[in-house]
Amino acid sequence: AQSVTQLGSHVSVSEGALVLLRCNYSSSVPPYLFWYVQYPNQGLQLLLKYTTGATLVKGINGFEAEFKKSETSFHLTKPSAHMSDAAEYFCAVSPGYSSASKIIFGSGTRLSIRP
Amino acid sequence: DVKVTQSSRYLVKRTGEKVFLECVQDMDHENMFWYRQDPGLGLRLIYFSYDVKMKEKGDIPEGYSVSREKKERFSLILESASTNQTSMYLCASSFRDSPGDEQFFGPGTRLTVL
Repeated sequence: AQSVTQLGSHVSVSEGALVLLRCNYSSSVPPYLFWYVQYPNQGLQLLLKYTTGATLVKGINGFEAEFKKSETSFHLTKPSAHMSDAAEYFCAVSPGYSSASKIIFGSGTRLSIRP
Repeated sequence: DVKVTQSSRYLVKRTGEKVFLECVQDMDHENMFWYRQDPGLGLRLIYFSYDVKMKEKGDIPEGYSVSREKKERFSLILESASTNQTSMYLCASSFRDSPGDEQFFGPGTRLTVL
């Protein structure tokens, strides 16, 4: 069975500082991995996804994530935080053999940005 | 751009009422999903549909039913609302039943059951 663990329900960084949101997954087959962002009072939108190929994935708004199979991790980073990055971030996994209906979401990490 | 709309942003109902949450997508997507979102629990799948009149239970279907009479519309029904169904409900859609496909989300309906 697939599962996702997001380390830290709340992360706070200063504006301009590095953002690092941690995600570890469990999957018995090669997974497809996603990061979604949810701004206040909105639905989720896709930041980036890993399917196959290059393990460093670039997404929207300057975010990127690296798939590390040996560490079963897919951490999300951004070199310099902006106030507009304040939101909730969800890591998600889908097994490579099954349907999109089997996306499993993590519990979320709320990112706060200090001025 | 894909657009997924939900009929209400905020809804307040009383215990025992029948509640309908409507979701419409405009991109001819085959798959549609209903999730509930609760603090600390992330998103949990209630039901999904991969075709008109087809549905499958997700992880937490108890107390809910769904209807998909047209491809673009997917309804979530609470037959007899209870206070433990107070939550944020999110609808999503995706193009086809492929593992790498992105799900597109609506803005959510925050339901309060008194």
